[in-house]
Amino acid sequence: NAGVTQTPKFQVLKTGQSMTLQCAQDMNHNSMYWYRQDPGMGLRLIYYSASEGTTDKGEVPNGYNVSRLNKREFSLRLESAAPSQTSVYFCASRLGDLHFGNGTRLTVT
Amino acid sequence: TQLLEQSPQFLSIQEGENLTVYCNSSSVFSSLQWYRQEPGEGPVLLVTVVTGGEVKKLKRLTFQFGDARKDSSLHITAAQPGDTGLYLCAGPNAGGTSYGKLTFGQGTILTVHP
Repeated sequence: NAGVTQTPKFQVLKTGQSMTLQCAQDMNHNSMYWYRQDPGMGLRLIYYSASEGTTDKGEVPNGYNVSRLNKREFSLRLESAAPSQTSVYFCASRLGDLHFGNGTRLTVT
Repeated sequence: TQLLEQSPQFLSIQEGENLTVYCNSSSVFSSLQWYRQEPGEGPVLLVTVVTGGEVKKLKRLTFQFGDARKDSSLHITAAQPGDTGLYLCAGPNAGGTSYGKLTFGQGTILTVHP
C-alpha cells in the first residue's frame, strides 16, 4: 500500500528553468493538495483539487500551476523557477484526514 | 488571516523528562490537529480535538483543546528518544471545517537524548 507517492525526491534547478512535480495516490481519495514547507513557517497551501476536474488556489499560488490529470494524479508545475521557490514540497490526499507523501526537496540556484 | 503560534520552537531534553508544547491563536478554530514529522518524511496525523476543553490521550501523549477553542497543548510524559521529531499543530482555514485546507503552526523541533 504505497499511499501518496511523489517524484522526484530531490531536484536542483537554475533560475528560470521549469519543472513538474508529480504526485499520485492509490487510496481512491477525491481531494488532493500541494503544500510547501519552509523553515520556521510550517506548511502553506499552494493549490488544491477538491475533486477530479477542479482546482483552486491556496494561500501561496503565485509562480505555480497545477493539473489534476485524473483521480489519482495531481501535478505541480513551476514555469520559471525563482530562488524564493526553494522549499520542500508535499503532496497530500484526503477522504477524511490528510495523508502526506514524503516530499520533494527543491533547490533553485 | 488566521495564525497559529507554537512554542517553544526548539526543545532538547533527556529521556524520561516531561514536556509541553503550546499552540496559540487569537482566532477561534472549529478544531485543531497535531501532526508529527520525521526527517525525510511527510507529517503524520496524531490527533484531532474538536470540542472546547477536550482532552485526548494517546499512550504517553496528552492533547488538550482550550475552552475558547483558540489554543491547544501537547504534553508528553516520560519522553523517549523515539519521540524525537517535528511537532506541528494545524487548524482548518478561515473558520472552516475542511481538514484539507489547513493553517499550520511553525512547528516545534523536539530532541530527546538517551
